[in-house]
Amino acid sequence: QVQLVQSGAEVKKPGASVKVSCKASGYTFTDSYIHWVRQAPGQGLEWMGWINPNSSNTNYAQKFQGRVTMTRDTSISTAYMELSRLRSDDTAVYYCARDPTPAISIDFLDFWGQGSLITVSS
Amino acid sequence: DIVMTQSPDSLAVSLGERATINCKSSRSVLYSSNNKNYLAWYQQKPGQPPKLLIYWASTRESGVPDRFSGSGSGTDFTLTITGLQAEDVAVYYCQQYYGTPQTFGQGTKLEVK
Repeated sequence: QVQLVQSGAEVKKPGASVKVSCKASGYTFTDSYIHWVRQAPGQGLEWMGWINPNSSNTNYAQKFQGRVTMTRDTSISTAYMELSRLRSDDTAVYYCARDPTPAISIDFLDFWGQGSLITVSS
Repeated sequence: DIVMTQSPDSLAVSLGERATINCKSSRSVLYSSNNKNYLAWYQQKPGQPPKLLIYWASTRESGVPDRFSGSGSGTDFTLTITGLQAEDVAVYYCQQYYGTPQTFGQGTKLEVK
C-alpha cells in the first residue's frame, strides 16, 4: 500500500532553515510527482510546489521562490523540502502528497504524508 | 491565480440528513479538449492530513462511500453528503488543478446539529 512517512516536528528560530523529509513506499517513487502543501494553525491549505523524482525538476509557488528548495534521493525513495530564512508566519504543518498520474505535474493528490509541524519561535 | 471560494464557511446538519457544500472558481476549470473539470474535494479530520474524496469534479476515489457525490462544471461545483453520519464531521476543501499554482478553497467546517 502507498505510504508517505514524514520526519518529525521541529522548533526553529527566526532566520534559520528547516529540511523536511518524505519517504515513499508501496509504489515506484520515480513514477509520480511529489507536491508539498502547508497548513498554518487553524488555517487552510497552501500549495508550495512540486518535484519530479525522476528528473529532479521542480516548480515552486511564486510566494516561496528563493526560499524553498525541493530535492530527492531516489536510492532511498525520499523527497525533501527545505525552507530557509524562516519567519514566525512559517509556523505550520507541512505535508508531502503524491500526484497519482505518471508524468503529470498538476493533478489531484491521492496520498498524503502524516504532516510535519514546524514551529518558528525565538 | 485561480481563486476558489467555498460556501458556507460552516454548517450544521442533523444525522441522516443531506449536507451541501459549494465551491466557486474565479475562472473556469473545464478543459475543453477533454471536457474534464479539474476540480477535487478533500476531507480533513482534526489532526489528520486531507483525504481525497472526489476528483474530476464527480469521480469518487476508491473506497469513498457512495453517500459522497460531486457535481458541477465550469466555475460552480457542489459536494453533497447524503445521509450524514457522525464520522463525516470534518473540514472539506475544494481544489483546482487546472492551473499553477494549484489552489484550495478556504474550507467548510461540517458539524452535526
